[in-house]
Amino acid sequence: EVQLVESGGGLVQPGGSLRLSCAASGFTFSHYNMNWVRRAPGKGLEWLSYISDSGTTIYQADSVKGRFTISRDNAQNSLYLQMNSLRAEDTAVYYCAREAAIEGATLPDYWGQGTLVTVSS
Amino acid sequence: DIQMTQSPSTLSASVGDRVTITCRTSQSISSWLAWYQQKPGKAPKLLIYKASSLESGVPSRFSGSGSGTEFTLTISSLQPDDFATYYCQQYSTYRTFGQGTKVEIK
Repeated sequence: EVQLVESGGGLVQPGGSLRLSCAASGFTFSHYNMNWVRRAPGKGLEWLSYISDSGTTIYQADSVKGRFTISRDNAQNSLYLQMNSLRAEDTAVYYCAREAAIEGATLPDYWGQGTLVTVSS
Repeated sequence: DIQMTQSPSTLSASVGDRVTITCRTSQSISSWLAWYQQKPGKAPKLLIYKASSLESGVPSRFSGSGSGTEFTLTISSLQPDDFATYYCQQYSTYRTFGQGTKVEIK
């Protein structure tokens, strides 16, 4: 069974940093591209960042460029999101999502349950 | 960047109703569009990929159509389990989500 379990969320002050982790199991992690997506209170889903299976290709949304960094450790079956210079508007539930190759492209198919990040003084 | 416009933002409907949600993109994405369902406190669930292909295990009352810049998700006969928020997502260039459509009980 595919499982993605996020951790590392919590309360942090504005300007602070946090590192989220996503532990993967039930599939060969090193064969899959991965994403981070968030949902702020009362808002919709927002894609943040993508990393290829080998870690060599990374895409980021403009909203987090220069502040958030996606990475992965295939030996540990883990995905990470380093978040710096956090702002109140970064308050959200953060999800990791696996991408599957389906009919000529890859797209997110399995998601974790999310971890809550609250940025407040 | 590709912008997504999803409508309506909220939809009130009754069990048995036919429901249609629209998603428009700022530039052509061919058929690289997916639809997800999300319930409160739960992870999003993939319903439709490549605009019109039904994900395994998803009931056949869900269908998708469109290509280029205009897409629709249709639920042919709304069931109690379908009250949720629905998102479109393009995966042609990076990834972008629509704003979401909350389907509420009328």
